[in-house]
Amino acid sequence: QVHLVQSGAEVKKPGASVKVSCKASGYIFKNFGMQWVRQAPGQRPEWMGWIKGGNGDTKYAQNFQGRITLTRDTSANTAYMDLSSLRSEDTAVYYCTRTLGEFSRASAYWGQGTLVTVSS
Amino acid sequence: DIQMTQSPSSLSASVGDRVTITCRASQSVNIYLNWYQQKPGEAPKLLIYAASSLQNGVPSRFSGSGSGTDFSLTINSLQRDDFATYFCQQTNSFPITFGQGTRLDIK
Repeated sequence: QVHLVQSGAEVKKPGASVKVSCKASGYIFKNFGMQWVRQAPGQRPEWMGWIKGGNGDTKYAQNFQGRITLTRDTSANTAYMDLSSLRSEDTAVYYCTRTLGEFSRASAYWGQGTLVTVSS
Repeated sequence: DIQMTQSPSSLSASVGDRVTITCRASQSVNIYLNWYQQKPGEAPKLLIYAASSLQNGVPSRFSGSGSGTDFSLTINSLQRDDFATYFCQQTNSFPITFGQGTRLDIK
């Protein structure tokens, strides 16, 4: 059974960075990509980026270029999302999601979400 | 970026009704269109992938169709558990984008 367990809520000041972790279990971690999606209150989900399962290559949304870094630790079955230069508009719930399959980018499994609040 | 537009934005229906939600892409996404259901305080849940494939464990009253730029999600015989917000998502090209959502309420 696939489980994605994310780190807890964070409160950050503008200009700071946040790192959210996502521990995976129930499948072979390296066989599937991990995507990160955020959702501000009352808004549609927003795709942030993707780290491939096999070689760890990354793809980022242009909106976050230069501020986001996706990494993974295959020995710990854990993925990480680092977002820097935070501003109030980054207040949202951040989700890690596992892709459906090797060739599918649909998000079949979701973490419980991590609320990041950016406030002075 | 590919823009995804859903209609309607909100919808009221009764238990037992059949409802259809549409999603239009600003350019072709082939069949790489997915549908999610989201309830308040929860993560989205994948219902349909590749336009018409039912995700494991999703009731057969949910169905999807379409290709190219026009897609639809149909729910037959609405159940109380189906009242939620629905999002479409294209995964044909980066950046992956979502529709604005359709809120389905009980009439």
